[in-house]
Amino acid sequence: DTGVSQDPRHKITKRGQNVTFRCDPISEHNRLYWYRQTLGQGPEFLTYFQNEAQLEKSRLLSDRFSAERPKGSFSTLEIQRTEQGDSAMYLCASSSGTSGRALDTQYFGPGTRLTVL
Amino acid sequence: LAKTTQPISMDSYEGQEVNITCSHNNIATNDYITWYQQFPSQGPRFIIQGYKTKVTNEVASLFIPADRKSSTLSLPRVSLSDTAVYYCLVGPNYGQNFVFGPGTRLSVLP
Repeated sequence: DTGVSQDPRHKITKRGQNVTFRCDPISEHNRLYWYRQTLGQGPEFLTYFQNEAQLEKSRLLSDRFSAERPKGSFSTLEIQRTEQGDSAMYLCASSSGTSGRALDTQYFGPGTRLTVL
Repeated sequence: LAKTTQPISMDSYEGQEVNITCSHNNIATNDYITWYQQFPSQGPRFIIQGYKTKVTNEVASLFIPADRKSSTLSLPRVSLSDTAVYYCLVGPNYGQNFVFGPGTRLSVLP
């Protein structure tokens, strides 16, 4: 399967702990995105990479959140000092970043479900 | 940033055609219309995208009138496996402008 993969699929942690999620995009996709989704809502944009450069960050991405894509391939999303309000599904997506916006379809991974106790 | 409005939920029966309409009165000239499908505990899956008139693929059709202030996703002969949430998005394909609303929850009944 050459789709977007995320690890772990589920994470349970205690309030105050740090957690890190990993996303492996589709091979050769230049763009990588992180979203957060809570129950009954659509995904909310968090941040976006073009290769290794983090080009946009949502105001939702507080200073407790940090994302990296060190070699322009996989990406990690770290949440420090987790709070109960961080409980959500964290989704990663990638796209080819080809010229012409109409062709830059985002392909989503299965997500990491975080539960903060 | 174009805001979209869709019905919160819809019910249908197997074998019927389902049409889900999305309103986007403030769509910009350069905006495209994209639809995604999401099953529980999975990431959204791209269905179809268009700019104007009609687009058809193996899964669905997308109808966009000349004024582009709305669009209709058409699913032919739905099955139980089409039960999902369907999102209409308007805007560029990347960055902070890729905004999901609450979507339309489609329930297909036997």
